Amino acid sequence: EPEVTQTPSHQVTQMGQEVILRCVPISNHLYFYWYRQILGQKVEFLVSFYNNEISEKSEIFDDQFSVERPDGSNFTLKIRSTKLEDSAMYFCASTRGLGTSTDTQYFGPGTRLTVL
Amino acid sequence: AQSVAQPEDQVNVAEGNPLTVKCTYSVSGNPYLFWYVQYPNRGLQFLLKYITGDNLVKGSYGFEAEFNKSQTSFHLKKPSALVSDSALYFCAVRDRSNSGYALNFGKGTSLLVTP
Repeated sequence: EPEVTQTPSHQVTQMGQEVILRCVPISNHLYFYWYRQILGQKVEFLVSFYNNEISEKSEIFDDQFSVERPDGSNFTLKIRSTKLEDSAMYFCASTRGLGTSTDTQYFGPGTRLTVL
Repeated sequence: AQSVAQPEDQVNVAEGNPLTVKCTYSVSGNPYLFWYVQYPNRGLQFLLKYITGDNLVKGSYGFEAEFNKSQTSFHLKKPSALVSDSALYFCAVRDRSNSGYALNFGKGTSLLVTP
């Protein structure tokens, strides 16, 4: 069964450094998402991406965040200058994109980002 | 605004007993409702969803959930719990009236099934 994959599984970085989290969505999916989960808190939506554009973003997704689909398979989340409060588990998700909001989002295993 | 409440941080059940994990929601319109499960060091796995139609939804691994519009609830149930069901369970909602696809998650309920 196809799965969303994410690399790395754990990323440790110094405050102020840039990080790029990588995701490979399910191959025939068209919508891509990033969520994050701060330890002990709920999963929060960051951004959705379709047709090489951001389709929706939350208040969390400020100017320090950016997303990109650099090639036909990868979907990346860049944090320009990491802060301590960016420490979280970051989940990538994808949907087939049938044009309705009933699509099921399939999640990857997550990347745990630790900012020191 | 939309929100989800999972009132129990932890649910403990003996193996073989029925289990219920509670979820209530608040949306301005009609909801799409989802349940996901997270095993240790794993991502969120989709269990089931309510879109429309029959209020009782059946999903993966023998789980089911009942949509109750009057009580704004979508409790997850299983008739007979397994030790392997021990995991973190998340309820999520999306408001049909919103154009976006973002899911709004509850804080999660930890299910512990003891032998």
